[in-house]
Amino acid sequence: GDSVTQMEGPVTLSEEAFLTINCTYTATGYPSLFWYVQYPGEGLQLLLKATKADDKGSNKGFEATYRKETTSFHLEKGSVQVSDSAVYFCALLGMNAGNMLTFGGGTRLMVKP
Amino acid sequence: DADVTQTPRNRITKTGKRIMLECSQTKGHDRMYWYRQDPGLGLRLIYYSFDVKDINKGEISDGYSVSRQAQAKFSLSLESAIPNQTALYFCATSDPGTKSNEQFFGPGTRLTVL
Repeated sequence: GDSVTQMEGPVTLSEEAFLTINCTYTATGYPSLFWYVQYPGEGLQLLLKATKADDKGSNKGFEATYRKETTSFHLEKGSVQVSDSAVYFCALLGMNAGNMLTFGGGTRLMVKP
Repeated sequence: DADVTQTPRNRITKTGKRIMLECSQTKGHDRMYWYRQDPGLGLRLIYYSFDVKDINKGEISDGYSVSRQAQAKFSLSLESAIPNQTALYFCATSDPGTKSNEQFFGPGTRLTVL
């Protein structure tokens, strides 16, 4: 079945550092890929998405490129801020019925001033 | 702008008690979902519903039941709560007519079973 693997956290960075959170997936066919963000005490919000190979999703300075050859969708940001501290989830929407999202385990990011 | 709301936000209960978590949405979406979140495991699907007359089991439905009272309401019940059901529970909605199939999440209910 489908699966998503993320790097374990927490990831602790200083403000303005470069961020990479790795995400790889296993799925049949051509899934859509997502990054969701969960700020403290809140539900998940869609951060960015990519629906086909080589697409780049971007939002709020974050980027991720759908790499089918490496089955990856790594999240990057050039300069993190304290306000980016949150838990980040990689997810895929596979070729199954009913919009079933498969989530990775989540990576907590902590940004220090 | 709380398009997906969940009640209660926090609940502490005892083993063996029946408990209901409620979800309401004003987005007009047909599809609704219940997930639980456990540390390091991401979100796992409990039940989902494509419309009022459609209920489907997800990955981890044992010990749970659901009711879709209306398009806007989807309730999750724990008939006899046990400690390993302590988790953060999320409701979500989606519109199958959108290309991205984005799901919209409520703020979550933190449930503790003693």
